[in-house]
Amino acid sequence: DAKTTQPPSMDCAEGRAANLPCNHSTISGNEYVYWYRQIHSQGPQYIIHGLKNNETNEMASLIITEDRKSSTLILPHATLRDTAVYYCIVPKQTGANNLFFGTGTRLTVIP
Amino acid sequence: AAGVIQSPRHLIKEKRETATLKCYPIPRHDTVYWYQQGPGQDPQFLISFYEKMQSDKGSIPDRFSAQQFSDYHSELNMSSLELGDSALYFCASSLGLGTGYQETQYFGPGTRLLVL
Repeated sequence: DAKTTQPPSMDCAEGRAANLPCNHSTISGNEYVYWYRQIHSQGPQYIIHGLKNNETNEMASLIITEDRKSSTLILPHATLRDTAVYYCIVPKQTGANNLFFGTGTRLTVIP
Repeated sequence: AAGVIQSPRHLIKEKRETATLKCYPIPRHDTVYWYQQGPGQDPQFLISFYEKMQSDKGSIPDRFSAQQFSDYHSELNMSSLELGDSALYFCASSLGLGTGYQETQYFGPGTRLLVL
């Protein structure tokens, strides 16, 4: 997997947008950026993924820079239930697609 | 929508005993992955199967084995359990690796194994 770098922790006020950055400077042209989150001891939850274009779904938006070396996950209106560890993952495209979970960003939403 | 099912959800075993964890993938998903998450650690990939064949292998101890059955469910067999095997074990499933396209993995709720 391409190496990813995320800040270890972030705080966000409830109701505000949470912007979680990720650097993936070694990403290859056909590799996707995936975001998962894990709420305490629950199974990792898929959030969103993208290749080169910005993506949006009911959970979040994903902004990928033009050079694809970094991305930002945006939770538009953070709630207390969004408190979790967020993982940015770039799985290898060839062969098996197992996920390498780095340390992620621990997001704490503050009332 | 149907999700990945894992059983049991909790399991307590003694050292040197064996344990079997089961995973039932999302309907029509033919690829299964197993991950281990120790206390305070991030999930680590153990092994995966596509169409009943092992597709990739991670940091899985030799004491562990796994297989995927014709109905695509998978079982992780753990023998000679050690205290360090106490962890959360997650199963994930996705559509076929055979498509050659990165398919999203969806995770189950996990099995919490405690070895005493």
